[in-house]
Amino acid sequence: GDSVTQMEGPVTLSEEACLTINCTYTATGYPSLFWYVQYPGEGLQLLLKATKADDKGSNKGFEATYRKETTSFHLEKGSVQVSDSAVYFCALSDPYGFGNEKLTFGTGTRLTIIP
Amino acid sequence: DTAVSQTPKYLVTQMGNDKSIKCEQNLGHDTMYWYKQDSKKFLKIMFSYNNKELIINETVPNRFSPKSPDKAHLNLHINSLELGDSAVYFCASSQEIGNYNYGYTFGSGTRLTVV
Repeated sequence: GDSVTQMEGPVTLSEEACLTINCTYTATGYPSLFWYVQYPGEGLQLLLKATKADDKGSNKGFEATYRKETTSFHLEKGSVQVSDSAVYFCALSDPYGFGNEKLTFGTGTRLTIIP
Repeated sequence: DTAVSQTPKYLVTQMGNDKSIKCEQNLGHDTMYWYKQDSKKFLKIMFSYNNKELIINETVPNRFSPKSPDKAHLNLHINSLELGDSAVYFCASSQEIGNYNYGYTFGSGTRLTVV
């Protein structure tokens, strides 16, 4: 079955540091890939997504590139801010599920940015 | 103008009680879901409904019974609550066009605490 392996946390960085959160996946077919963010006490928000190989998703300074050859979708940001502190989830979905679509999530990575 | 709204946001109840969580989406999406997030932040699908029809039931105890009166609503009823049911429950919806899934929108979650 489909699975997502995500970098273990927690991750603590200083403000303006570079961020990479690793994500690799196992799936049959050609899944869509997502990064969701959960800020403290809040629900899940879509951060970015990519639907096919070599697509780059980007939002709020975050980027991730769909790498089919390495089955990866690593999240990157060049300069993090305190407001980026949250839990980040990598996820995949088989878009051609014929009604059986579901998101399969990684375990989440807690990111804390210190001033 | 909340896209996916859940009520209540917090629910504290005693073991053995029966409780319901309601979810409504105003996005016109065809498919709705319930996900459970445990204390370690791990997210796992419980159910999905497509146009009021149950599609996915991921080996959830039959104490959990989803009900979809129309495609804009998916409620979750839980009988005989147990301590292990304590979690955050997220409702979500998605839209498929020609069997292609265009993405998911999540509600803000219901934190259920069983004491």
